[in-house]
Amino acid sequence: QSVLTQPPSASGTPGQRVTMSCSGSNFNFGTNTVNWYQQFPGTAPKLLIYGNNQRPSGVPGRFSGSKSGTSASLAISGLQSEDEADYYCSAWDDSLNGPVFGGGTKLTVL
Amino acid sequence: QLQLQESGPGLVKPSETLSLTCTVSGGSISTSTYYWGWIRQPPGKGLEWIGSVYYSGNTYYSPSLKSRVIISVDTSTKQFSLQLYSVTAADTAVYYCVREIIGDYYMDVWGKGTTVTVSS
Repeated sequence: QSVLTQPPSASGTPGQRVTMSCSGSNFNFGTNTVNWYQQFPGTAPKLLIYGNNQRPSGVPGRFSGSKSGTSASLAISGLQSEDEADYYCSAWDDSLNGPVFGGGTKLTVL
Repeated sequence: QLQLQESGPGLVKPSETLSLTCTVSGGSISTSTYYWGWIRQPPGKGLEWIGSVYYSGNTYYSPSLKSRVIISVDTSTKQFSLQLYSVTAADTAVYYCVREIIGDYYMDVWGKGTTVTVSS
């Protein structure tokens, strides 16, 4: 049972805009920022979004993040087949005194 | 460009100790900006943070694993290590070492991961 809640799956067609949600609590999202990771099968996760909406160098601008209250979302615009991956949200949790993750959303590009 | 590489046995017997080492290359381990941590991923499941260490040796651990975990750092060899005691099949996972940004607590550099199976 993950501390952060993500839907297990999402899908979209090429060119479409897709959003994925992540739900937390006041212990994590209340005062801390949200980060997102992208993971392809058999590989290590990669930082995709940090600080709610910041993109590391090299991450395309069609990836964006947002946070409002105890919910966060990751949006991908102009969906491409190579975006098919698992996406995890994460944040620091003040009650557990450590970083926590969502269970991940598997994105399928139809 | 900083890189992390995990190493250690791929098979551990139940009740024994899982020991892994992460070697840092292409950068310093003795920086005030980062923690160095371990994250694991059981087969087909999500990510779980295990714990982290500062270059001075300060550590913090997941409450659920704290009683069985020790993470240490050796700045002279640019390595940090994970020891997980009394393992069971539930500890079977891919183990990643990571660099964590202090303050914002995101992991910006990941090792490739190493698979550890707990089985007799």
